[in-house]
Amino acid sequence: NAGVTQTPKFRVLKTGQSMTLLCAQDMNHEYMYWYRQDPGMGLRLIHYSVGEGTTAKGEVPDGYNVSRLKKQNFLLGLESAAPSQTSVYFCASSYEPGLAGGPGGTDTQYFGPGTRLTVL
Amino acid sequence: AQTVTQSQPEMSVQEAETVTLSCTYDTSESDYYLFWYKQPPSRQMILVIRQEAYKQQNATENRFSVNFQKAAKSFSLKISDSQLGDAAMYFCAFSGAGSYQLTFGKGTKLSVIP
Repeated sequence: NAGVTQTPKFRVLKTGQSMTLLCAQDMNHEYMYWYRQDPGMGLRLIHYSVGEGTTAKGEVPDGYNVSRLKKQNFLLGLESAAPSQTSVYFCASSYEPGLAGGPGGTDTQYFGPGTRLTVL
Repeated sequence: AQTVTQSQPEMSVQEAETVTLSCTYDTSESDYYLFWYKQPPSRQMILVIRQEAYKQQNATENRFSVNFQKAAKSFSLKISDSQLGDAAMYFCAFSGAGSYQLTFGKGTKLSVIP
């Protein structure tokens, strides 16, 4: 299993440009998440999805959009990039938290390797 | 809202020695999960250990163990026989049972001295 993969690993954008980050998981997880990590801070949740076709806002959703057209993929879009969006972005996935009778540790989130995004 | 506090921004340990990283949290929930994640220079977030709040027994994973004090809302990580590969940022995280929300602390940077 590849686990959680992210594309691309690095990207540099100019202010106002748009881009999409791709996250893919092969663990048949229902839930997927996008986080950002800034210096001196822990990870903060941007958006998440509880299943194919669903998305919801997390702690810091402004300036981002997401889509979950397929269960295994979760896309994060920046329509008009700003320097404040310079960060490292992590995707994660998990089974449905608290799933009765599910695999042990359904609350555990598994992370991708991250994407370093710089907006000039 | 839950908060997670790691009061030690940086720590160091001699190779083969033991080190303890501190974490405290604040929540009104009675059922929840606590995690320690390791982030080496490669940036990959790696799950180190997981604790279920309803279990009194402290979780262990090889050289890693936790001291979970539910009443004190404390969740420290002990690393025994420290190795050079243990050098990394360590993040403490909280998740309410059945919740998607994973709340992270700001991390502790651990250096291992040969």
